[in-house]
Amino acid sequence: EVQLVQSGAEVKKPGESLRISCKGSGYSFTSYWISWVRQMPGKGLEWMGRIDPSDSYTNYSPSFQGHVTISADKSISTAYLQWSSLKASDTAMYYCARLNIGGEFLDYWGQGTLVTVSS
Amino acid sequence: QSALTQPASVSGSPGQSITISCTGTSSDVGSYNLVSWYQQHPGKAPKLMIYEVSKRPSGVSNRFSGSKSGNTASLTISGLQAEDEADYYCCSYAGSSTFRVFGGGTKLTVL
Repeated sequence: EVQLVQSGAEVKKPGESLRISCKGSGYSFTSYWISWVRQMPGKGLEWMGRIDPSDSYTNYSPSFQGHVTISADKSISTAYLQWSSLKASDTAMYYCARLNIGGEFLDYWGQGTLVTVSS
Repeated sequence: QSALTQPASVSGSPGQSITISCTGTSSDVGSYNLVSWYQQHPGKAPKLMIYEVSKRPSGVSNRFSGSKSGNTASLTISGLQAEDEADYYCCSYAGSSTFRVFGGGTKLTVL
């Protein structure tokens, strides 16, 4: 069974750093890209970027380029989303999702990680 | 890259059919048959309902169907059921620099 299991909820202060994770199981982790999707409170889905775990090649949405870093450790089948300096506006639910083989659609999703940034 | 345009809300009675539109541009929806649709119930992760404009994943009811004309894609749900009440999002490939763009989402209410 394909599963993407994300790390737990985080509460951080502005300016702090953070890395959240997404562990894949039940499939060949290096054969599928992983995307990250943001959902701010009461708002819609926003595509942030994606990574190819086989070589760590990344694409970012222009809206998120330079604000977050997507990485992966294929040895432990885990993708990451990280911030070096959080802002209150980063408060959101973050989902990881697997892109199908051709990269056309998101076929499996993680359960989401809620990140709250507040002073 | 602007989000794709969806109606904020639609509603229908049980048994009826509804259609949700998703309007993009010639740079995304209009150029690629790579539109997908996702259903999201409150507090839950999104679920893939339609991919490549009109294909259904295994396990998704055939009451869900998709189509596209020009820069607008559509999701139709026939025989509405109470459990269809959810938010629906379209998503399109938007070229190698942006890669993906979502619609703003549509809240479906089953009356």
